[in-house]
Amino acid sequence: KQEVTQIPAALSVPEGENLVLNCSFTDSAIYNLQWFRQDPGKGLTSLLLIQSSQREQTSGRLNASLDKSSGRSTLYIAASQPGDSATYLCASSPGGGGNKLTFGTGTQLKVEL
Amino acid sequence: GAGVSQTPSNKVTEKGKYVELRCDPISGHTALYWYRQSLGQGPEFLIYFQGTGAADDSGLPNDRFFAVRPEGSVSTLKIQRTERGDSAVYLCASSLIAGGAGTGELFFGEGSRLTVL
Repeated sequence: KQEVTQIPAALSVPEGENLVLNCSFTDSAIYNLQWFRQDPGKGLTSLLLIQSSQREQTSGRLNASLDKSSGRSTLYIAASQPGDSATYLCASSPGGGGNKLTFGTGTQLKVEL
Repeated sequence: GAGVSQTPSNKVTEKGKYVELRCDPISGHTALYWYRQSLGQGPEFLIYFQGTGAADDSGLPNDRFFAVRPEGSVSTLKIQRTERGDSAVYLCASSLIAGGAGTGELFFGEGSRLTVL
């Protein structure tokens, strides 16, 4: 059974800092790895999706990397802003594809002025 | 609407009661997913529909939980004889394509928060 772990559970940084969120998974036979953002009381917003054959994906100030062999993914946020404050979740898709995702418990990020 | 719509946004019920939660996916999305999120946890998969049929219901915790999607659009998650442990946020998501080489981007609703007293 796939297990997804996210470290740290919570993170507080000053505005403008670059930061890295970590995600690890136990079963490397994944189809893709996805990163989501969740604001309090809201649903999830898809940020980046990395296919198993890819090493990284970029969108604006966000860059996600994937190392299947070591079971790790990182989400890099450049020049953080207060509006980036949210919970960030990573999730793996099983080897056969589809969106039956296994989620981590998330990293709660606070970017302070 | 433009996004995934879920109703009710909040539901408080008593132990033993029956509850229905509704999900209206993005128009044209063939795949629909239900997830459950407990406080401080990531979402957990419950069931997935491709069109009208439940393609994978392996995440439903027991036979008190049931979901339907009779016309391939709106879906209803039904919980019988609710228990306090059923309290959670129930999230619905849809995607344009699903499975195999066509795993589409997931769009989530804001969830239905269920509280069982």
